[in-house]
Amino acid sequence: QSALTQPASVSGSPGQSITISCTGSSSDVGGYDYVSWYQQHPGKAPKLMIWDVSNRPSGVSSRFSGSKSGNSASLTISGLQADDEADYYCSSYTSSTDVVFGGGTKLSVL
Amino acid sequence: QVQLVQSGPEVKKPGASVKVSCKASGYGFTSYGITWVRQAPGQGLEWMGWLSVSNGNTKYAQKLQGRVSMTTDTSTSTVYLELRNLRSDDTAVYYCASGYCSSAFCYTDYWGLGTLVTVSS
Repeated sequence: QSALTQPASVSGSPGQSITISCTGSSSDVGGYDYVSWYQQHPGKAPKLMIWDVSNRPSGVSSRFSGSKSGNSASLTISGLQADDEADYYCSSYTSSTDVVFGGGTKLSVL
Repeated sequence: QVQLVQSGPEVKKPGASVKVSCKASGYGFTSYGITWVRQAPGQGLEWMGWLSVSNGNTKYAQKLQGRVSMTTDTSTSTVYLELRNLRSDDTAVYYCASGYCSSAFCYTDYWGLGTLVTVSS
């Protein structure tokens, strides 16, 4: 199972909005609403930010939102803050019943 | 609050086995599942599989089939990951994560801090 495709890096200024894409196929992202997004600061464990495409766990800021169209999913962060600078990973359930991650996107807040 | 406490770092030789533990507290352990994810140095996340504590079902990543086992000790609320026939590319931080298990897979709401496993001759 190939990894989902994410941009290697994105950047934005404080207060701006950014979107990270996650592209797969009809066998994963396009076929199921089981897309999750994770935030990982350097040296730390990942943190769940979005589950089932667009749901936020309790305690996650409403500045984080998720969506899906066809074989691609997106994570949007509005009102960028310095602490949002981290690596972000998407994941999806697949038709082989495995779970696949994206390669990760490094977000820089300029 | 939910806590997942993982065992300490391990150094193993190629061909050996390693067993990493993940002790859960702060929630109904037997009602949920544990997923294992690993991360090689400087690399991305890799899903390894999950164990549903509620019904004992397991699902392993296809690339690890035959080398990986996930087991549970409900008396101590602990889940174990065993990886056999270790290779140098198994060097990674191994994370456990807990969450609800649907009929399809287990979610990853809470994460442990990770266990570094180093495979080196």
